[in-house]
Amino acid sequence: EIVLTQSPGTLSLSPGERATLSCRASQSVSSSYLAWYQQKPGQAPRLLIYGASSRATGIPDRFSGSGSGTDFTLTISRLEPEDFAVYYCQQFPHTFGQGTKLEIK
Amino acid sequence: EVQLVESGGGLVQPGGSLRLSCAASGFTFSSYAMHWVRQAPGKGLEYVSAISSNGGSTYYANSVKGRFTISRDNSKNTLYLQMGSLRAEDMAVYYCARESPPPTGTTHGQAFDYWGQGTLVTVSS
Repeated sequence: EIVLTQSPGTLSLSPGERATLSCRASQSVSSSYLAWYQQKPGQAPRLLIYGASSRATGIPDRFSGSGSGTDFTLTISRLEPEDFAVYYCQQFPHTFGQGTKLEIK
Repeated sequence: EVQLVESGGGLVQPGGSLRLSCAASGFTFSSYAMHWVRQAPGKGLEYVSAISSNGGSTYYANSVKGRFTISRDNSKNTLYLQMGSLRAEDMAVYYCARESPPPTGTTHGQAFDYWGQGTLVTVSS
């Protein structure tokens, strides 16, 4: 069973800064099935990235994904106020990471 | 516009049953695999179950296997989750989600591209 470990658990940054979120798999996974989601309080998750690096429809280009094998990264180039949320990686379809909370510093 | 609307959540006693529904619109429901994902209060996302586009194939997480049944009615554009022998640890918001279309030449999608708003299941005496 694959385990996804996200780090850090909480990331405190200011608007305009760059955010780097990590997702590490317990064994090598196919990048074709690595996805990232954003979830705001009281809302359903929203797909950001699929196939490790492809942006979903309507997702701003400040969001980018990269990685392969066991190490994957979600980068937000310049944080906007609406980007502060919880982010989950997923080895599609069965496994989610525990989440990274991105909070305003 | 793609819409997924869950219903059927509520308060149920331990050991009880509940059926969740997910009404789909804005896309050809019968062409997509569908999934259920849950989220306990204050916790992360947990995968629950999947069903193929024609209903012929299903999958369950170990935590719900033998107690939950996923099904769909393509004539009604509706996904279901029949939950039985409910436990305190089943208490969560339950989301239905659409599997993204498979890339050309493949048979599986790559992510959940649309989610419902969720329905809360509370298990308590």
